[in-house]
Amino acid sequence: QVTLRESGPALVKPTQTLTLTCTFSEFSLNTAGMCVNWIRQPPGKALEWLALINWDGHKYYATSLKTRVTLSRDTSKNQVVLTMSNMEPVDTATYYCARTFHFGAAGTMDYWGRGAPVTVSS
Amino acid sequence: EIMMTQSPATLSVSPGERATVSCRASQSVGTNLAWYQQRPGQAPRLLIYGASLRATGIPARFSGSGSGTEFTLTISSLQSEDFEVYYCQQYNNWPLSITFGQGTRLEIK
Repeated sequence: QVTLRESGPALVKPTQTLTLTCTFSEFSLNTAGMCVNWIRQPPGKALEWLALINWDGHKYYATSLKTRVTLSRDTSKNQVVLTMSNMEPVDTATYYCARTFHFGAAGTMDYWGRGAPVTVSS
Repeated sequence: EIMMTQSPATLSVSPGERATVSCRASQSVGTNLAWYQQRPGQAPRLLIYGASLRATGIPARFSGSGSGTEFTLTISSLQSEDFEVYYCQQYNNWPLSITFGQGTRLEIK
């Protein structure tokens, strides 16, 4: 069964850099068509797509955040890491990682992690 | 950026009745439209992709329709577990552009 799990700090201070890790199982980012996304959701608000990394290592970022967000991957560990710089209180949200299989329901996210709540506060 | 607008923000329907949620795109997205259900404290669950295709394991009472800029999610004969929040998502220029609607809360009337 495909699973994803987010891990990282629950609290960061303003101006700090957030680092979150998505660890997944039962699929590989070495497999053609596989992608991992990051999405966030502020409390009581809508979902916002942040970034995606695909099977051949290409990375794509939301236009509004591309100067602050970076993705990296470790295919041997089945992990994708999100870093977001210069965190502000408005970045307080639950951060999700989710899988896209481009050769399945392309463009959609069929498996999600449970989410990692992050609060930005001094 | 393509903006997705859902209506209504909150929909009150009685169990056993039909619910219809609308999603409008600021420009055509073809049929590159998905619907998700989210329960409190949980991650979203994919319901519909390609505007009208049910994801694996999704009951037949969930259906999607539309193309271009106007889309609809219909839930026929509402069950108690259907009273949740629903989001549409466009992926017309995937992966360069992925946006969600603001959500529709389905509540018991």
